Amino acid sequence: DAGVIQSPRHEVTEMGQEVTLRCKPISGHNSLFWYRQTMMRGLELLIYFNNNVPIDDSGMPEDRFSAKMPNASFSTLKIQPSEPRDSAVYFCASSLPAGAGANVLTFGAGSRLTVL
Amino acid sequence: AQRVTQPEKLLSVFKGAPVELKCNYSYSGSPELFWYVQYSRQRLQLLLRHISRESIKGFTADLNKGETSFHLKKPFAQEEDSAMYYCALRRSGGGADGLTFGKGTHLIIQP
Repeated sequence: DAGVIQSPRHEVTEMGQEVTLRCKPISGHNSLFWYRQTMMRGLELLIYFNNNVPIDDSGMPEDRFSAKMPNASFSTLKIQPSEPRDSAVYFCASSLPAGAGANVLTFGAGSRLTVL
Repeated sequence: AQRVTQPEKLLSVFKGAPVELKCNYSYSGSPELFWYVQYSRQRLQLLLRHISRESIKGFTADLNKGETSFHLKKPFAQEEDSAMYYCALRRSGGGADGLTFGKGTHLIIQP
């Protein structure tokens, strides 16, 4: 298994543009998490899904952020319109269903976003 | 709401010296605690979890409920231990809840 796959690895865009980050979780993992990492705030949980259903999106900073999981093998995090303060590394992680291993997250390599 | 505090942003020790990375948490229930590590240019990965009570790469961590701490320790630091270390907490109750992370400690092992 290639692990959690994220794209793009790097994105540089201008303020006001739409940004879409993509994630493919590990096959068989039914929980998916989006985190944002910044120097000031560390790792923040934005939203997570169980069985493709959003469970907790209280970490999503504002309405400019949205996330979807149309099927078990794909999720997107969209920012529209983007702002310079959105610059961060965005991580996707997945985990096994409830039970043994459910609490161990496997992280992707991250998407580094720079908004000019 | 739960919170994880790592008081040191940066910790620098010499090779062979003992290492202790501090982690304190606040949560009213019985949490599950983890340490994750991110080596340079690598992905964030699990180092150890308190329920496993294991030693990984010479590191151990004991959950102290009285002090609400989960400090990470290693008796003799090695240069390859240099990395970012994150303490994380999951609320009790089953299911795959999101982890709450501390802000991380950058550990530098000097030769």
